[in-house]
Amino acid sequence: GNSVTQMEGPVTLSEEAFLTINCTYTATGYPSLFWYVQYPGEGLQLLLKATKADDKGSNKGFEATYRKETTSFHLEKGSVQVSDSAVYFCALSDGFGNEKLTFGTGTRLTIIP
Amino acid sequence: EPEVTQTPSHQVTQMGQEVILRCVPISNHLYFYWYRQILGQKVEFLVSFYNNEISEKSEIFDDQFSVERPDGSNFTLKIRSTKLEDSAMYFCASKGGRGNNEQFFGPGTRLTVL
Repeated sequence: GNSVTQMEGPVTLSEEAFLTINCTYTATGYPSLFWYVQYPGEGLQLLLKATKADDKGSNKGFEATYRKETTSFHLEKGSVQVSDSAVYFCALSDGFGNEKLTFGTGTRLTIIP
Repeated sequence: EPEVTQTPSHQVTQMGQEVILRCVPISNHLYFYWYRQILGQKVEFLVSFYNNEISEKSEIFDDQFSVERPDGSNFTLKIRSTKLEDSAMYFCASKGGRGNNEQFFGPGTRLTVL
């Protein structure tokens, strides 16, 4: 079945540091890939997505590139802010039928001033 | 901007009691989902619903669980006899159509079973 393996957390960085959160996946076919963010006390919000190989999703300074050859979708940001502190989830949908999401374990990111 | 809403935000219940969690998906969406997140763990798929019937369910979604779209706007998750291990955050999500794969999530209902 489908699975998502995500970098273990928690991750603590200083403001303006470079961020990478690793995500790899196992899936049949051609899944769509997502990063969701969960701020404290809130629900899940879509951060960015990519639907085919070599696509780059980007939003709010975050980027991730769909790499089929390495089955990866790593999240990056060049300069993090305190407001980026949240839990980040990598997810995939298989594109068949109801397209349910399969999530990784989540990575808690804390940015210190 | 349209959004998915869920009520209540927090539900406390005694073991063995029935609970109903309510969701109002985005109005023109066609696909509906329930997920749950046990504290500190990953978000897990429970069930998907399309065209007034369950389209897929996970192993977690046993006979104690049911879903319903009673009136064309609400989407409910019922747990018939709650267990301690049902304590979790339950998220509802909806999606517009088959070609649009973005799911929109509600803020969640925290269920605490005592």
